[in-house]
Amino acid sequence: DTAVSQTPKYLVTQMGNDKSIKCEQNLGHDTMYWYKQDSKKFLKIMFSYNNKELIINETVPNRFSPKSPDKAHLNLHINSLELGDSAVYFCASSQAGVSGNTIYFGEGSWLTVV
Amino acid sequence: ILNVEQSPQSLHVQEGDSTNFTCSFPSSNFYALHWYRWETAKSPEALFVMTLNGDEKKKGRISATLNTKEGYSYLYIKGSQPEDSATYLCAFNSGYSTLTFGKGTMLLVSP
Repeated sequence: DTAVSQTPKYLVTQMGNDKSIKCEQNLGHDTMYWYKQDSKKFLKIMFSYNNKELIINETVPNRFSPKSPDKAHLNLHINSLELGDSAVYFCASSQAGVSGNTIYFGEGSWLTVV
Repeated sequence: ILNVEQSPQSLHVQEGDSTNFTCSFPSSNFYALHWYRWETAKSPEALFVMTLNGDEKKKGRISATLNTKEGYSYLYIKGSQPEDSATYLCAFNSGYSTLTFGKGTMLLVSP
């Protein structure tokens, strides 16, 4: 059983398109995250959701929007895709925030914008 | 801006060798230090979450130590095996709901 699953794993799309990446966790965690692996290979936080409330929103473009229909899901919507959005996006979850708690990651979604 | 540095950037050892990596992080506002093991195209896998100065944790042949006063953690692998080949990431938590990751140390273990 996959604890944190995200789909699609690979996505190739054209500039200007709108796309979504879905994420589901079956661990009963109350906090979910989206991370982006940037061009320098750092994993950087994009969003964090706790009990359906956004608690972190790093300085990402507002073309990116997280949507959480329930505690087990946090989907990432991206509007008007740009070449620079090409990256690997990771969904993750933890119980009650990361402070001292293990964070569980999905396998990543490879987004390529052409 | 929080700075988390890992060294070396990459490492190539022979099967059976023991090895260690370093993670340096800010010594102020420390809450937790996480270590992850990451194989390409797989999920980063949590190894340790360390919160107390002087903490030592062990999982099989892998162990880690923590010095929060000077801002560093060491990860040790005893008797490396080819299946240990992966990128090892450390991440610093300052008490907010986010982790600041280092770039990782890429380990390759040759048979």
